[in-house]
Amino acid sequence: GESVGLHLPTLSVQEGDNSIINCAYSNSASDYFIWYKQESGKGPQFIIDIRSNMDKRQGQRVTVLLNKTVKHLSLQIAATQPGDSAVYFCAEKSAGGYQKVTFGIGTKLQVIP
Amino acid sequence: KAGVTQTPRYLIKTRGQQVTLSCSPISGHRSVSWYQQTPGQGLQFLFEYFSETQRNKGNFPGRFSGRQFSNSRSEMNVSTLELGDSALYLCASGQQGYEQYFGPGTRLTVT
Repeated sequence: GESVGLHLPTLSVQEGDNSIINCAYSNSASDYFIWYKQESGKGPQFIIDIRSNMDKRQGQRVTVLLNKTVKHLSLQIAATQPGDSAVYFCAEKSAGGYQKVTFGIGTKLQVIP
Repeated sequence: KAGVTQTPRYLIKTRGQQVTLSCSPISGHRSVSWYQQTPGQGLQFLFEYFSETQRNKGNFPGRFSGRQFSNSRSEMNVSTLELGDSALYLCASGQQGYEQYFGPGTRLTVT
């Protein structure tokens, strides 16, 4: 039978512009959040993480913002490059050492040269 | 350090057969998690092993099972394969409480 795929939100950004990818989560008990990048044919690659006791964390060209009040997470990519084209997933983990991670559906980022 | 390796990378099986996938974690990592990725369901957690014990399990039928060896290498097994089991199976390793590192995945096609 015909399969129905998830409709991935797509963000198209001009090369050199900043990108903002948003994610909503539902579990109030989540205390650790991660952004992953997945390129075609590869496994997800860790980008940046943030713990629930923080509201902002910066990496190289990337910033993650966490708003626990509205359960919202965002990933900002500065000066977006063609190599940033990929699917980006936010993921959340509940407190404790266990590694059960819940992923969002992902956002496809297309960088226009 | 070498990354997470998964074997085989591609696999074609027939309905009703069983399959075993293998994952070698990053050296020193004791946690190994398995995920299924499909266009219809996205990335879904299967189970996690830590020091040879299953600590966490997702909502998958009992046909999906796994194990971890004393050297932290892990295998997952799917019995009585169904067409819907066609997916990319991802393994991730990590240290307790910290980020996970994913392997390239095994692409399973069930015909």
